[in-house]
Parts: sequence; structure tokens; C-alpha cells
Amino acid sequence: TAGITQAPTSQILAAGRSMTLRCTQDMRHNAMYWYRQDLGLGLRLIHYSNTAGTTGKGEVPDGYSVSRANTDDFPLTLASAVPSQTSVYFCASSDSEVGTEQFFGPGTRLTVL
Amino acid sequence: GQNIDQPTEMTATEGAIVQINCTYQTSGFNGLFWYQQHAGEAPTFLSYNVLDGLEEKGRFSSFLSRSKGYSYLLLKELQLKDSASYLCAVRDGDYKLSFGAGTTVTVRA
Repeated sequence: TAGITQAPTSQILAAGRSMTLRCTQDMRHNAMYWYRQDLGLGLRLIHYSNTAGTTGKGEVPDGYSVSRANTDDFPLTLASAVPSQTSVYFCASSDSEVGTEQFFGPGTRLTVL
Repeated sequence: GQNIDQPTEMTATEGAIVQINCTYQTSGFNGLFWYQQHAGEAPTFLSYNVLDGLEEKGRFSSFLSRSKGYSYLLLKELQLKDSASYLCAVRDGDYKLSFGAGTTVTVRA
């Protein structure tokens, strides 16, 4: 079982360009999340989805958008990247919003120049 | 929002015990989680507390006091592979997780 996969593993992106980070899970989890992790700040929630067809904003949603067309996929889009979006991005899922564990993908390291 | 505090770094010797404290202030509370994260890897789930008291899982134990807004993670019989960052996370009234900045534990031989 793959669990959660993310692509790409790492990316260097020019400021102003757009990019979509991909996240796919095969555990049939209803809830999915996107976090960014920055040194000294810990993991911060960007967007979440409690079930397919619904999304919500987390702590730091500005500059990011998400969609949840089906249960398995939860892509994160940066419409016009800025250097402050340089970070490590983790996708996570749980069986439901009240589940006792979130499973994390391997992360995408993004550098915006 | 949430305010979650944990020490930045701790160092201990192989075979020893280390206790990582976490204090929090939240708008609503639906559980406290501890995750382990090795450098360059994803966080992995260690423990979950929603009621006061101690939860024990092998060498790792986690304690919660909701009235004090306090938790700790106890790591016993430390091994070199336990060198990692330990993340305290609180689930709020809207069932969203907020994470502390993490405690980097270094285990020395």
C-alpha cells in the first residue's frame, strides 16, 4: 500500500510562475490537509477538505488554492509564486475530521526564486 | 487561534529518559497529539490523548492535563534512532490541528 504520495519531490520555481503540487492517497480517507513547514514555525495548515467536494481555509491560505474532485486527490495550486512561499509542503489525510491520526506524505520541497 | 509551546532542543544520553513538555492555550479542545519527525522525513504519529492521564505505548508515554493545558511525552530507554524532532499538536473545536514548533532531541552514545 502506497499510503500518500506527493509530487514532485522538490522543485525550483521562478517568482510569478504557477505550480500545482500533487497529492494522492489510496486509503479512502475522507479528510485531507495541506501544511507548510518552515524552520522555527512548525507545521501550519494551508487548506483542508473534510470530504470530496468540500474545502476550507486553514491558518495560512493566502496565495494558495485547492480542489477536491474525488476522494483520492487533493492538489494544491500556487497561482503566482512568491519567494515567501519557499517551504516544505506536506499533504496529510485521516479517515475523518475526528480521526485519531493524520498520515503524512513524504513532502515537496519548493524553492521560489 | 492556538498557542502551543515546547522547548526547542533537548540532549540526552543513550539509555536515559527524556521528558518533553508542551503547554497550550486553545479555542476548544478535541485532543492532543504527539508526532515524531526525523530530519528530511514526514511526521509519523506517536500518541493521542483526549482524556486526562497517562497513555503508554512501549518506550513512549504521553500525559495530558486539560485543566492545566499541559502535556508531556516521555521517552524511556533512549536509543540513538530516537534522535528526531517531536511535535506537539492540539486539535481545536473545529477539529483542526495546530502544531508547536517542535523539540529536537539529540541522543548521544
